[in-house]
Amino acid sequence: EIVLTQSPATLSLSPGETATLSCRASQSIDYYLAWYQQKPGQAPRLVIYEASKRAPGIPARFSGSGSGTAFTLTITSLEPEDFAVYYCQQRTIRPPLTFGGGTKVEIK
Amino acid sequence: EVQLVQSGAEVKKPGESLSISCKGSGYSFTDYWINWVRQVPGKGLEWMGRIDPSDSRINYSPAFQGHVTISADKSITTVYLHWSSLKASDSAMYYCTTAHPGGFDYWGQGSLVTVSS
Repeated sequence: EIVLTQSPATLSLSPGETATLSCRASQSIDYYLAWYQQKPGQAPRLVIYEASKRAPGIPARFSGSGSGTAFTLTITSLEPEDFAVYYCQQRTIRPPLTFGGGTKVEIK
Repeated sequence: EVQLVQSGAEVKKPGESLSISCKGSGYSFTDYWINWVRQVPGKGLEWMGRIDPSDSRINYSPAFQGHVTISADKSITTVYLHWSSLKASDSAMYYCTTAHPGGFDYWGQGSLVTVSS
């Protein structure tokens, strides 16, 4: 089973700042990584798929990078609506399609 | 419009059985796997398993194998998550979700299951 480790657990930032979130896989997953945003009381929303592709409707301030075992989600110039919990998920053909533990981006 | 519509909230006692459902519409139902994801209140997302509605191939997470059963009825474009004997620890929100090409990702509204004596 592929284990995904997200860091940090919590990121305290102010609107306008840049958020950098990390996700590390226990073995190579090539570029088969997705990032989700979840706000309280809502289902998760896909933000990035295949490590670096923005999902439809996602603003350009969201970007993803990485391959193999190390991945990053960057949110530049944070908007108030970006404060949420972010999860990574490995989406290779090898189940289980595990999620990371999440990073909460909170307002400082 | 692609939609996944889940069954409503359930309150059950330990040891009881339960099935929750997820009905897909607005797309070719047999073309894409459907996943089930658990979220205990205040906790993270857990991938439980998935089913290919075209032939009912199933993959389970080891963490859930043997405790839940995933099935599908393609004639009514619906997938199910079934417990034969619930535990209090099964209390959670359950989501169905499907991923389509081009980053199109669809989630049901969630089904809240509460198991309490």
